[in-house]
Parts: sequence; structure tokens; C-alpha cells
Amino acid sequence: GENVEQHPSTLSVQEGDSAVIKCTYSDSASNYFPWYKQELGKGPQLIIDIRSNVGEKKDQRIAVTLNKTAKHFSLHITETQPEDSAVYFCAAPGFFGNEKLTFGTGTRLTIIP
Amino acid sequence: DAGVIQSPRHEVTEMGQEVTLRCKPISGHDYLFWYRQTMMRGLELLIYFNNNVPIDDSGMPEDRFSAKMPNASFSTLKIQPSEPRDSAVYFCASSLGRSYNEQFFGPGTRLTVL
Repeated sequence: GENVEQHPSTLSVQEGDSAVIKCTYSDSASNYFPWYKQELGKGPQLIIDIRSNVGEKKDQRIAVTLNKTAKHFSLHITETQPEDSAVYFCAAPGFFGNEKLTFGTGTRLTIIP
Repeated sequence: DAGVIQSPRHEVTEMGQEVTLRCKPISGHDYLFWYRQTMMRGLELLIYFNNNVPIDDSGMPEDRFSAKMPNASFSTLKIQPSEPRDSAVYFCASSLGRSYNEQFFGPGTRLTVL
């Protein structure tokens, strides 16, 4: 099945600075890469995703980049705000079997006011 | 829409007792997932259903765990007998169309087994 590695496990940035979280995946057939945000006491929520026919996708202050050759994708958050503090998960579907999502181990992002 | 509904939100039980977690997916969604989240193992997929049929249960830890989906609007995850290592937050999620399309997670059930 798919193997997804996520780094760093924790990240602290000053409010207003940028944050970058990176993930690598193993299944070269994967073609969809979502990012989920989990706030304290809640379930994860999709914030952005990218499909393999594009290299970058932006939505206001967040962006995701994809390098299929190197099999890695990254989440970029610019102009960070206190409400960005949360745990972020990357994920990828494996295609050996039944396309279930495999989640990374998560990154706890803390924005320092 | 009310989103995915899970009950109970918190459950405290003693080792050896039976535990039943419940989930109501978003109306119209055809995929339902059960996940377990712990500090040590992160977010693990236990089992998922498509149109009420279990597709992949390879993540179910052992025979003590079982899941059912008797109809499109209800699913249960049962642990019998429960053990302290089962303590975790259990999430139910649903999606529409494909197993990896946007998954909508419920608020989770925090299970503590003493």
C-alpha cells in the first residue's frame, strides 16, 4: 500500500511569517493529494487538494505544490495568523487494492503572536 | 446539513466491557470510514464501506473489533471485549463518489478503557 511520510512533526512560526510542511509518498500511481486541518477537539477538515495534472494550486493564503518526479508535495501557508494553529495532515491514495487514503503522521503548527 | 454525527462523544468503560460507537453519515454519501487516532499511531483507517458493503477491513486490529452498516444512514463500530489499549479517539467520516474524495469527519468519540 501507500506510504506517506510527513515533516516536521512540530513547527512554530511567528505570526505573519510563512510555514511549510512537506510530505513524500511511495506509490507513483497516486494522483490526488489532499491536506487536512484538525483543530483541537474536532475532526480533520479538508483545506486544499491537488491533482497530479497540475504542479501548484493556491487558495488565498494557502498553497500546495507537487513534484511527481520526486514524489513529494508541500503545504505553504503565508501571512500566518493565530487561527492557523492546528494539526495538519497530508494524505495520498494508493492504487494497489482499493484506493484508500493513507494519512501522514501530522504536523502540529503553532503560531506565536 | 448537520454533517456527520457520532455518538457518544465520550465513553468511559472498564476493561472487558462491550463498547458500541455510532455514526450517521451525511445524507447521500456512499462511502463511510472508521478511523482511530492515537498519539503513538496517528490517524489509522480501520474499515470503510461503499454503499453499505465493507470494502476493506484490513485495518481492524483484531477480532475484538467489528463494524456494521445496516443501511445508508447508520453504522456501528463495536469492541468486545474492550482493553485499555483501545483507548483512543474514534472518527467516522463519509464521502461521495470515490473513496478518496473529500472526506467529511464527525466530531469523534473519545473512548477511555480503564
